[in-house]
Amino acid sequence: DIQMTQSPSSVSASVGDRVTIACRASQGISTWLAWYQQKPGQAPKLLIFGASSLQSGVPSRFSGSGSGTDFTLTISSLQPEDFATYYCQQANNFPGITFGQGTRLEIK
Amino acid sequence: QVQLVQSGAEVKEAGAPVKVSCKASGYTFTTYAMHWVRQAPGQGLEWMGWINAGNGNTKYSQNFQGRVTFTRDTSASTVYMDVGSLTSEDTAVYYCARGRIVVVPGAYLYYFDYWGQGTLVTVSS
Repeated sequence: DIQMTQSPSSVSASVGDRVTIACRASQGISTWLAWYQQKPGQAPKLLIFGASSLQSGVPSRFSGSGSGTDFTLTISSLQPEDFATYYCQQANNFPGITFGQGTRLEIK
Repeated sequence: QVQLVQSGAEVKEAGAPVKVSCKASGYTFTTYAMHWVRQAPGQGLEWMGWINAGNGNTKYSQNFQGRVTFTRDTSASTVYMDVGSLTSEDTAVYYCARGRIVVVPGAYLYYFDYWGQGTLVTVSS
């Protein structure tokens, strides 16, 4: 399986900050990557697909970039509701879909 | 609007089976695959596999092959996940998630655009 590694595992930031989370694939996956946000006690929510396409209804302060093995999720100006855990996911059905281990975004 | 509603929490003894359901509404059930994702307490997301709601074809992650079974009832717009013999390591929240498929040269891609609320399965030893 393709391994997905996120960094950092956790990050502290303040409202209004710009935050970047990285995700690296163990082999090239083109732009076949998604990002999800999960808040405690809730199901994950799709933010970005195809590495850089914003899911309908997601605020434009979220953006994604990258291709091949290296990807980033950027939140341009943190809002209070953005404090959550973020996961990347490689989308190729073969050999199987995999997630990163998650990045916890905490209030400083 | 699209909704996925899962069955309620379960408490089971080790060795017992469990069946979790996921009822879909707000879209044409048979035109999407439904995936299952597991999340152990305090841990990350683990993909389990999918069922094609139209033809019933399935694909399982190697980690779950032979231990779980996905089925569907098209008349009820519901998919099911069966775990045959639970162990304490199966204690987790189980999510169903609709798979939006994107076909590219040489690959089928799935993105999960709608999720159920999750079902907590607790296994006591």
